[in-house]
Amino acid sequence: ETGVTQTPRHLVMGMTNKKSLKCEQHLGHNAMYWYKQSAKKPLELMFVYNFKEQTENNSVPSRFSPECPNSSHLFLHLHTLQPEDSALYLCASSHPQDTQYFGPGTRLTVL
Amino acid sequence: QKEVEQDPGPLSVPEGAIVSLNCTYSNSAFQYFMWYRQYSRKGPELLMYTYSSGNKEDGRFTAQVDKSSKYISLFIRDSQPSDSATYLCAMRSSSNTGKLIFGQGTTLQVKP
Repeated sequence: ETGVTQTPRHLVMGMTNKKSLKCEQHLGHNAMYWYKQSAKKPLELMFVYNFKEQTENNSVPSRFSPECPNSSHLFLHLHTLQPEDSALYLCASSHPQDTQYFGPGTRLTVL
Repeated sequence: QKEVEQDPGPLSVPEGAIVSLNCTYSNSAFQYFMWYRQYSRKGPELLMYTYSSGNKEDGRFTAQVDKSSKYISLFIRDSQPSDSATYLCAMRSSSNTGKLIFGQGTTLQVKP
């Protein structure tokens, strides 16, 4: 396992549910990232936080809401998702503009 | 045109073969190049990291960057069944955003 942990590892939710994904890094990094990985597509960057401040929102729908309370923790709050949002959601961390280290991901299924 | 092109495969080779994985890109500003390995149901793990053009070797793995051709390669010597995974290339410029651009990933299967 890497120094980046994610919970839960698997999540099944209905379109009307509200859930949250959690990421924690133990590497002393100050940048954290959310990515979406769908089958047969490149990783899609969703959000970037540097020193707890959001520095990038890659045109992500508002049904995805990130939160970064400190440099070690990152959340992705989910509400009224669509079936096409089913994917592997990956968290990563790094020193700013340096190599990114990934967590194991949360496999999300939206029914 | 995608910024980074990578043949998704799958690529199947016998154990012990030399494997060549490749990516092409269109943005001449890319300066940093990475290869990640992703096993099934796991997150990507960094395998190789290179800056600008040239070669870098680490055990059975060699990364090559040819900026003039906008082409990067990962070679795996004496491939093992444990090398079976998806290999993702990634790259970024030296700008302040540091945004990584990934290829689609190539799925490799090494058969015993």
